Amino acid sequence: QVQLVQSGAEVKKPGASVKVSCKASGYTFTSYDINWVRQATGQGLEWMGWMNPKSDNTGYTQKFQGRVTMTWSTSIDTAYMELSSLRSEDTAVYYCARDGRTNGMDVWGQGTTVTVSS
Amino acid sequence: QSVLTQPPSASGTPGQRVTISCSGSSSNIGSNYVYWYQQFPGTAPKLLIYRNNQRPSGVPDRFSGSKSGTSASLAISGLRSEDEADYYCAAWDDSLSGPNYVFGTGTKVTVL
Repeated sequence: QVQLVQSGAEVKKPGASVKVSCKASGYTFTSYDINWVRQATGQGLEWMGWMNPKSDNTGYTQKFQGRVTMTWSTSIDTAYMELSSLRSEDTAVYYCARDGRTNGMDVWGQGTTVTVSS
Repeated sequence: QSVLTQPPSASGTPGQRVTISCSGSSSNIGSNYVYWYQQFPGTAPKLLIYRNNQRPSGVPDRFSGSKSGTSASLAISGLRSEDEADYYCAAWDDSLSGPNYVFGTGTKVTVL
């Protein structure tokens, strides 16, 4: 079945970087965008950016410009989101989601908890 | 900071109809499709409505979406206990810095 499986929980110190992976299966990886969305505890959903593995394009929301990098490997159908210069406010659950453009984010990963603490 | 505004809460008794509003602007809802997501505590969001009013396979027809101008609505008819969840609207926003996907502030639906 179509699914996205993310890497496990991470604990990082302020100033460090974290790289979350998202492995796709059950569909053609290059046929869809992958979006990254995060959610702090008790808060709403926050879109971070998108990547298209076929066109080699990425787009990041201004808030994360310069701190986030989205990459992928088509050989293993895996997307990555790296966030640098971590601060306590980055503590959140990070989700990857498949996006068929006008069809919406129809498949989501299970989420990866990132905790930033000294 | 969310640019789509939703009421923080909505409630109803089983069988009732509940409506959730989503207010945006000309750069997002006014010129792009609206999406709705359902989220239960501790789980990933689930796509409920796409392209303003389309339901993915498996979503009950009790859920319906509509859009008018710069606002949108999600209606849940025949409310059931299992509908108790958080609901988020979303849309692409054509900002000066490039397209951004924006989520609503979220609405917690309680079944009384």
